[in-house]
Amino acid sequence: TQLLEQSPQFLSIQEGENLTVYCNSSSVFSSLQWYRQEPGEGPVLLVTVVTGGEVKKLKRLTFQFGDARKDSSLHITAAQPGDTGLYLCAGAGLGTSYDKVIFGPGTSLSVIP
Amino acid sequence: EAGVAQSPRYKIIEKRQSVAFWCNPISGHATLYWYQQILGQGPKLLIQFQNNGVVDDSQLPKDRFSAERLKGVDSTLKIQPAKLEDSAVYLCASSLGVTQYFGPGTRLTVL
Repeated sequence: TQLLEQSPQFLSIQEGENLTVYCNSSSVFSSLQWYRQEPGEGPVLLVTVVTGGEVKKLKRLTFQFGDARKDSSLHITAAQPGDTGLYLCAGAGLGTSYDKVIFGPGTSLSVIP
Repeated sequence: EAGVAQSPRYKIIEKRQSVAFWCNPISGHATLYWYQQILGQGPKLLIQFQNNGVVDDSQLPKDRFSAERLKGVDSTLKIQPAKLEDSAVYLCASSLGVTQYFGPGTRLTVL
């Protein structure tokens, strides 16, 4: 069974603090994506990482893909209330004949003003 | 560019009733997905279509759930009969590659 694990499951922090969330698997992925989902909406893609060791920055968000392409992290600097949401990682490249993607269970982030 | 459309947005039914959800993907997207998302959890893939063919329905409870994608465009997901544990948000997504674009979902409550 191919699984993605995410930690922590829940995170509540004060505005201005930094945080890191993690996504881990025993499987190797060809790419890994991070999505953010706000209440009542579908997930929205934040970033796709493809190369082992790759680091991508999106304003205050920094994403890293592990060297072995089995894990990833998302670091948020100076969190804002607008960062509140469910952060999902999704791994791709597991299918042999089609694009198979699996989602992790998510990290629910709450940023308190 | 229009996004993925889903309807209805909310549905409340009693157990043992039937319900159907509709999805209109982004124009030109060959792949369409239906997910079930229970509150506080990540999306669980129910079925994946490539054009109008099924490529993965391994987690679809086929005794009560069915889905079709006629002409490789719109899709419907049906539950018959519904159980209490089917209460969840049903998300539709479409893609050209691995990046998926999600609709807003249908929140189903089974009483």
